[in-house]
Amino acid sequence: GAVVSQHPSWVICKSGTSVKIECRSLDFQATTMFWYRQFPKQSLMLMATSNEGSKATYEQGVEKDKFLINHASLTLSTLTVTSAHPEDSSFYICSAPGHNNQPQHFGDGTRLSIL
Amino acid sequence: GENVEQHPSTLSVQEGDSAVIKCTYSDSASNYFPWYKQELGKRPQLIIDIRSNVGEKKDQRIAVTLNKTAKHFSLHITETQPEDSAVYFCAASFNAGNMLTFGGGTRLMVKP
Repeated sequence: GAVVSQHPSWVICKSGTSVKIECRSLDFQATTMFWYRQFPKQSLMLMATSNEGSKATYEQGVEKDKFLINHASLTLSTLTVTSAHPEDSSFYICSAPGHNNQPQHFGDGTRLSIL
Repeated sequence: GENVEQHPSTLSVQEGDSAVIKCTYSDSASNYFPWYKQELGKRPQLIIDIRSNVGEKKDQRIAVTLNKTAKHFSLHITETQPEDSAVYFCAASFNAGNMLTFGGGTRLMVKP
């Protein structure tokens, strides 16, 4: 079964709306989580690294004021897309490292469509 | 930062044939190289990975080779089946727990 739970799986909303995506680690603690974005027919690109109890680290070109990341507990990281516009429509997916240098666990992803 | 190049972008093979996908990376500090299979609208699924202390790894029909000197690694799928059709991504990282840099992806089509 899934070890990382991501919700919602699909969101359609109007331009200007803020959308929150949750990523939960199940049965394990994740002090770090990664948020990726994947546009249609493209690869996964890292947006930011979420760190429990501290500020997220954003990749170059990613607006930190637009993509708010909160990692308030050892099992939950959230990504909020503020004032979303059609160009923010994409597949957003989180991942959490496994224990003892084991491969990462990916969430199921969130397909965000902004009208 | 790390840069991963992947080729080819599309690959069409006949069922039963072999498929090879190649990746190169730029950062010599990378030590972990996973391969993912992604079906439309789904999460990437890890199919095999290799760490820098190993040159080759095999799991049934899938094998991966790594040349650290040349900074390239390859995925080999033998006896391809229609259900192997998907998009495959290579990636590189300092270790398995670090952020991944993905290649551009290869759309593999296996014709019955």
